[in-house]
Amino acid sequence: SQQGEEDPQALSIQEGENATMNCSYKTSINNLQWYRQNSGRGLVHLILIRSNEREKHSGRLRVTLDTSKKSSSLLITASRAADTASYFCATVLSGGYQKVTFGTGTKLQVIP
Amino acid sequence: DAGITQSPRHKVTETGTPVTLRCHQTENHRYMYWYRQDPGHGLRLIHYSYGVKDTDKGEVSDGYSVSRSKTEDFLLTLESATSSQTSVYFCAISESGGNEKLFFGSGTQLSVL
Repeated sequence: SQQGEEDPQALSIQEGENATMNCSYKTSINNLQWYRQNSGRGLVHLILIRSNEREKHSGRLRVTLDTSKKSSSLLITASRAADTASYFCATVLSGGYQKVTFGTGTKLQVIP
Repeated sequence: DAGITQSPRHKVTETGTPVTLRCHQTENHRYMYWYRQDPGHGLRLIHYSYGVKDTDKGEVSDGYSVSRSKTEDFLLTLESATSSQTSVYFCAISESGGNEKLFFGSGTQLSVL
């Protein structure tokens, strides 16, 4: 099974609402990254949080990391229809900084 | 956009034939990765490279081989294609491996009949 697992698998919200996605992983990490994928396209990097950080912000994105629970969350505030996409977490294991392994993704639909 | 080109963009082939996918970058990044994406599995790492002639296996390397004879090109070969290798294949590059973000190509849709 994969290192990262996102929850929920799918999420549908109204425009203007907040969207929260969670990622759980199994072993100690160096960092955790979030990516977005629009349908049929390659992934685009959103944010990277290192193991010694607890929270990071980028625009309408807020990422938290709880290494004791081996989990991370991605919050998108005031969602827009353009945020409709799949979101993936990716982990880099401690001592294994070369390998980047992805979770199964959360499919977000924002309804106008 | 990072300079990453995957070719071909689409390919249909028959079971048992060899197939080579190419990833070409113009960023001079050291690290290159091949992933496959399938419904319900997200992205799974096939192989990656940390320099010319330096490669290592990922999670799902069986049936695949790679080569990197120069910095800008990373080739993925399916030695004898099977229907289970029907997938979308993505190449990614990074300047410093997992320490920084990955940049992705547009993908290759491969169908093995």
